[in-house]
Amino acid sequence: GDSVTQMEGPVTLSEEAFLTINCTYTATGYPSLFWYVQYPGEGLQLLLKATKADDKGSNKGFEATYRKETTSFHLEKGSVQVSDSAVYFCALKSGGSYIPTFGRGTSLIVHP
Amino acid sequence: IAGITQAPTSQILAAGRRMTLRCTQDMRHNAMYWYRQDLGLGLRLIHYSNTAGTTGKGEVPDGYSVSRANTDDFPLTLASAVPSQTSVYFCASSDLPSGYNEQFFGPGTRLTVL
Repeated sequence: GDSVTQMEGPVTLSEEAFLTINCTYTATGYPSLFWYVQYPGEGLQLLLKATKADDKGSNKGFEATYRKETTSFHLEKGSVQVSDSAVYFCALKSGGSYIPTFGRGTSLIVHP
Repeated sequence: IAGITQAPTSQILAAGRRMTLRCTQDMRHNAMYWYRQDLGLGLRLIHYSNTAGTTGKGEVPDGYSVSRANTDDFPLTLASAVPSQTSVYFCASSDLPSGYNEQFFGPGTRLTVL
């Protein structure tokens, strides 16, 4: 079956540091890939997505590229802010399934 | 546009009591989902519905039931609550049938069973 593996957190950074959160997946066919963000006390919201190989999703300074050859979708940001402190979830959705598969989530803590 | 609303925001419940968590969406999405979120365990799917009138079991359905009488509402019922059902519950929706479509999440219900 489908699965998503994320690096374990928490990831602790200073403001303006570079961020990478690793995400790898296994899936049948050609899934769509997503990053969701969950701010404290809130539900998840879509951060970015990519629907085919080599697509790059981007939003709010975050980027992730769909790498079919390495089955990865790593999240990056060049300069994090305190307001980026949240939990980040990588997810995939195979075309034939109504149900997405989520990773366990990675907590990011950014210090001033 | 409200998106997805959930009620109540939080609840403390005695073990053995019946409880219904409410979820309503105004986006006319076909699919709806219920998840629970526990520290260290991520999101776990309880039940889902692909369209009004149909429901399916997720990863952890025991002790929970759902119904989907119309497109907008997807209530989750705990028939007889137990302490292990203490969790944060999220309702979500998604437009179907494309696999490209992301999920939209509600703000969650924090449930404590004593």
